[in-house]
Amino acid sequence: GESVGLHLPTLSVQEGDNSIINCAYSNSASDYFIWYKQESGKGPQFIIDIRSNMDKRQGQRVTVLLNKTVKHLSLQIAATQPGDSAVYFCAENTSGTYKYIFGTGTRLKVLA
Amino acid sequence: DTAVSQTPKYLVTQMGNDKSIKCEQNLGHDTMYWYKQDSKKFLKIMFSYNNKELIINETVPNRFSPKSPDKAHLNLHINSLELGDSAVYFCASSHKEVVKTEAFFGQGTRLTVV
Repeated sequence: GESVGLHLPTLSVQEGDNSIINCAYSNSASDYFIWYKQESGKGPQFIIDIRSNMDKRQGQRVTVLLNKTVKHLSLQIAATQPGDSAVYFCAENTSGTYKYIFGTGTRLKVLA
Repeated sequence: DTAVSQTPKYLVTQMGNDKSIKCEQNLGHDTMYWYKQDSKKFLKIMFSYNNKELIINETVPNRFSPKSPDKAHLNLHINSLELGDSAVYFCASSHKEVVKTEAFFGQGTRLTVV
């Protein structure tokens, strides 16, 4: 149904600063996690993923941290650029469920 | 080159009409999905198919009927459209579940019911 009562949080950062986007996931049995970036008028695009047997994974300018104890996921973007402005979603997958459950999303605004 | 393509990109129609959205993936994936994104950007799964078989129907009204003629296609037919059906619908695909990889999304179909 609709996300009644929920709103899209916004994170504003200065260009060149680091960004940290947080996500609380719902299922302690989830064993695979993904961060997606969605630009206006486009579909979600893969940024980085992490499996539950890891607690940190690095990509190019991005790092994902996983804390299974508190069911928390974060995305760190280094030296944030204007092109990073978008809505960011975390998604979780539990083996055998054939679905990716998305978080509510965070809008990242990069200030020049 | 497009990995997951869906048509049309925009769809404006009157209440009560029946419409279809088509989706095709050329990635060789086994699993395909339909997601609905509301005005607050919330993404909710509607259906998932694995090897043409329906796996998940997330309490979607039966006015919505997915059809998968083969592994590369998953179409969505909607009967008796209602104002509340207005949203962006995304098709996605992924490898079979034992291969932990991301889902690839299409560009979305913005459905507006007037």
